[in-house]
Amino acid sequence: ETGVTQTPRHLVMGMTNKKSLKCEQHLGHNAMYWYKQSAKKPLELMFVYSLEERVENNSVPSRFSPECPNSSHLFLHLHTLQPEDSALYLCASSQHPLGGVKSSYEQYFGPGTRLTVT
Amino acid sequence: GIQVEQSPPDLILQEGANSTLRCNFSDSVNNLQWFHQNPWGQLINLFYIPSGTKQNGRLSATTVATERYSLLYISSSQTTDSGVYFCAASYGQNFVFGPGTRLSVLP
Repeated sequence: ETGVTQTPRHLVMGMTNKKSLKCEQHLGHNAMYWYKQSAKKPLELMFVYSLEERVENNSVPSRFSPECPNSSHLFLHLHTLQPEDSALYLCASSQHPLGGVKSSYEQYFGPGTRLTVT
Repeated sequence: GIQVEQSPPDLILQEGANSTLRCNFSDSVNNLQWFHQNPWGQLINLFYIPSGTKQNGRLSATTVATERYSLLYISSSQTTDSGVYFCAASYGQNFVFGPGTRLSVLP
């Protein structure tokens, strides 16, 4: 148990469906991340939220829409996906420095959602 | 941006053997982590080590930030050590992951 949970663990969806992935962290962190891991490729950072504001969007297609309603929850809304979007989607959290207080960015990952787009 | 390389890409060991995994990064970093990804996809934190040396049981890690590399040592390997080992580096919050080293430990 890392203190980061993700649901669902597995998801199969058609290209016309709309679904959402959910991530919750119980570590009191103030930053959350979405990563994509495709077969035989390194993890790719998709989105970063720090203090509930999006601070990074790595050229991710608009069919992926993140939402961070508070520092403990992160969603990834999916619509009109393509088969090449099939992958393992991983959520992570970390504690960012605030007000100059030294802190590490050590990340803790959830178990992932394995998404298949048919 | 930062580029991260790992070597070797694949490693096969007999149970009980020792190994060294290497991570090279292209620019200055102030964060570096080592992870083990199990067969179910879970990334398990091994070390947060932007500099210096740490040890945890049979595993230890060393980062020489000025020379832009980090090493992960696995001693007396066990079959449960099998999986993919990733290093991830950043200057700030946006980590870049290496391609991983796939380790297979044979009984």
